[in-house]
Amino acid sequence: DTEVTQTPKHLVMGMTNKKSLKCEQHMGHRAMYWYKQKAKKPPELMFVYSYEKLSINESVPSRFSPECPNSSLLNLHLHALQPEDSALYLCASSHPGSSYNEQFFGPGTRLTVL
Amino acid sequence: AQSVAQPEDQVNVAEGNPLTVKCTYSVSGNPYLFWYVQYPNRGLQFLLKYITGDNLVKGSYGFEAEFNKSQTSFHLKKPSALVSDSALYFCAVRGLHSGGYQKVTFGTGTKLQVIP
Repeated sequence: DTEVTQTPKHLVMGMTNKKSLKCEQHMGHRAMYWYKQKAKKPPELMFVYSYEKLSINESVPSRFSPECPNSSLLNLHLHALQPEDSALYLCASSHPGSSYNEQFFGPGTRLTVL
Repeated sequence: AQSVAQPEDQVNVAEGNPLTVKCTYSVSGNPYLFWYVQYPNRGLQFLLKYITGDNLVKGSYGFEAEFNKSQTSFHLKKPSALVSDSALYFCAVRGLHSGGYQKVTFGTGTKLQVIP
């Protein structure tokens, strides 16, 4: 299985809602990533988990809260988001510990904040 | 700090003609370079990477890339373009993050349009 899955595919939420994005991979990768991508822009790194521990937080606002419950799952909890947070949220995974391991990306969750 | 530049926002090429998508990089130490492709409303797909060795790297779907250390470039090429190659292409470099971890930095992307 060489696939990263993400649910839901689309999400519309109000600024007072709480929602979660989910990501799953079964490739045995021990590094997992959250990216935010605006239209026609490159992905921006948000968080990196390595061996289920948060290793990089790119100064992301606290209204985004990541969680890695096990080596296959990665969640992104959302609360009190702003309309400017509307974007495509991409999950990725890779083998950690080496510079030359490519990342495998999921299809993304298209988030709209009203 | 590492960086990647893709000087062309869009490249247009006729079907059957060779294509080139340009990328230059800046990184301390050995460069680890990648190309990804993104189709509309999809995630990124890995195409190829340069780690070490031959300067010409072959990847998926007939794509290849040429590493040039003196020009700090890693241009993506294909001998004969297909309409289905039309997509957004990202060059990326992997290097050390300030926290001692590896981080990927993406270029701004180049939209490839293959004209039938």
